[in-house]
Amino acid sequence: DAKTTQPTSMDCAEGRAANLPCNHSTISGNEYVYWYRQIHSQGPQYIIHGLKNNETNEMASLIITEDRKSSTLILPHATLRDTAVYYCIVRSSTSGTYKYIFGTGTRLKVLA
Amino acid sequence: DAGITQSPRHKVTETGTPVTLRCHQTENHRYMYWYRQDPGHGLRLIHYSYGVKDTDKGEVSDGYSVSRSKTEDFLLTLESATSSQTSVYFCATHRGLASYNEQFFGPGTRLTVL
Repeated sequence: DAKTTQPTSMDCAEGRAANLPCNHSTISGNEYVYWYRQIHSQGPQYIIHGLKNNETNEMASLIITEDRKSSTLILPHATLRDTAVYYCIVRSSTSGTYKYIFGTGTRLKVLA
Repeated sequence: DAGITQSPRHKVTETGTPVTLRCHQTENHRYMYWYRQDPGHGLRLIHYSYGVKDTDKGEVSDGYSVSRSKTEDFLLTLESATSSQTSVYFCATHRGLASYNEQFFGPGTRLTVL
């Protein structure tokens, strides 16, 4: 199963874009990249996912490099409520089963 | 949130006692997962299920067993609890079928083993 590497923590000024990097150099061709976040001790919340192409939704954008070995989650206008731990996950698929392997995540602190 | 509930939400028990945590979902999702979360480790997969009576081990399955006798319930059992199993346990579900479906997480169960 592919592993992910993320910086332990990052700060971002409120209203600015937050760019959270993730390295997944061992990703294989059919594995998706997912991003989740966890606020306080709540259950993680889905943000976005992608395979090859860049993706955008109402919460964030996901940029995946052409070789798929890394990706960046972009929160375009960070707010204080975006302070959370962000997890980059590679989802493996074997024989119709899906397994998500979480890393330790990036603790993002949005500063007023 | 896919109608996921976990019970109990908090439990304190003693070393050596059996403990069962329950995850219940109302969305008829095929896949269900148990994770534990500890400081410095993020979320680690314990066991998962890809259908009724179909389960498999995750990264940290030693000391845990699971059962899924019906779609909506996924039970996690600690046969003989140890202090190292003090943790927050999260259940998650996944619809499956399509590659793009995401996981939904329950509110968590905080377990303390004395």
